[in-house]
Amino acid sequence: GESVGLHLPTLSVQEGDNSIINCAYSNSASDYFIWYKQESGKGPQFIIDIRSNMDKRQGQRVTVLLNKTVKHLSLQIAATQPGDSAVYFCAENMGRVDYKLSFGAGTTVTVRA
Amino acid sequence: ETGVTQTPRHLVMGMTNKKSLKCEQHLGHNAMYWYKQSAKKPLELMFVYNFKEQTENNSVPSRFSPECPNSSHLFLHLHTLQPEDSALYLCASSQGYSNQPQHFGDGTRLSIL
Repeated sequence: GESVGLHLPTLSVQEGDNSIINCAYSNSASDYFIWYKQESGKGPQFIIDIRSNMDKRQGQRVTVLLNKTVKHLSLQIAATQPGDSAVYFCAENMGRVDYKLSFGAGTTVTVRA
Repeated sequence: ETGVTQTPRHLVMGMTNKKSLKCEQHLGHNAMYWYKQSAKKPLELMFVYNFKEQTENNSVPSRFSPECPNSSHLFLHLHTLQPEDSALYLCASSQGYSNQPQHFGDGTRLSIL
């Protein structure tokens, strides 16, 4: 089926450590992926995206890795801060119909002081 | 204002009421979306508009009626809703369809009595 899933629903991280959030996708035709962050009471906030012709992309304190062979996506957050506590979603496009994004259920990240 | 603005932020209504949700984007985008977010479930796409034309109705019940008067404004008219329609309704916009991130508002929290 066409679905996006995350390996773990929750992740607890010590402040200052690096975080890794994983996502598996099943649609091999997908060629665009996005990570979102959703804080309590807010809408999803765009973090970073990656196209299938890349396997790595870096932003400010974040890195997205794409492994098309095993259909796996990950988000790495460096030096995790309390403000990083949120729910993180990955999303993939649906291949032919570019605007349709399929979202995972989310991983809740909690940063311990 | 910047970004995507949704009003009201919270709405409580009875099953026989009629109400409307409003979304406005200040990003110069031409595509707008309605999503439903229920607890512990992935985001569900409801409707898509591109240059004011509806291009997607994702099998949404007729008690939800969208309206897009121009590329900056999107409405969701609600009538005779059911308790299971209680959820967070999110609006998003993007610059075109192809492999572009969607930017979200903070949503309207809807409760049906």
